[in-house]
Amino acid sequence: DIQMTQSPSSLSASVGDRVTITCRASQGISNFLAWYQQKPGKVPKLLIYAASTLQSGVPSRFSGSGSGTDFTLTISSLQPEDVATYYCQKYITAPWTFGQGTKVDIK
Amino acid sequence: EVQLVESGGGLVQPGESLRLSCAASGFTFSNYWMTWVRQAPGKGLEWVANIKQDGSEKYFVDSVKGRFTISRDNAQNSLYLQMDSLRAEDTAVYYCARSGTQWSFPPSYWGQGTLVTVSS
Repeated sequence: DIQMTQSPSSLSASVGDRVTITCRASQGISNFLAWYQQKPGKVPKLLIYAASTLQSGVPSRFSGSGSGTDFTLTISSLQPEDVATYYCQKYITAPWTFGQGTKVDIK
Repeated sequence: EVQLVESGGGLVQPGESLRLSCAASGFTFSNYWMTWVRQAPGKGLEWVANIKQDGSEKYFVDSVKGRFTISRDNAQNSLYLQMDSLRAEDTAVYYCARSGTQWSFPPSYWGQGTLVTVSS
């Protein structure tokens, strides 16, 4: 099975900072990669699919890039409401594996 | 408005069974792949299973193969997860989610989840 590895596992940044989270697949997955945001105590929310397509209603400060094995989620200017855990997920073949998550908080 | 409401969670002993249900509304249920995802307390997300629109294709994570069954009733707009031979490690919040009209779209709508606790 293809493994998904996120880094870092946690980060702390200031409001307004540019934040980057990386997700690496153990084999190529083309662009079948999604990013989710899960705020504390809440249901996961789809942010990005097809590696770089923003889901409707998601703020434009979120962006995704990558193809093959290496992917990036970027928050261009971190806001207090972005405190959450972020997960990548591959969905090219079963199992639709998630990364282990990256916890983002405010410094 | 898309709504997914899970039910059926609870406390069971190891080796017992439980059936989760998910009632869907606000969209044409029979047009979509459906998904179950779980999250153990304090842990990350784990994809559990997918089922195709007509139920003809089903996929499971290795850890539940042979123990869990996914099914759907398109007439009732309902998704199910039959969980047998439950283990402590199955303890989690189970989310029902709507995926795409084709395989190649991830879960975009999620229910609030139902908690399953497996403990003696």
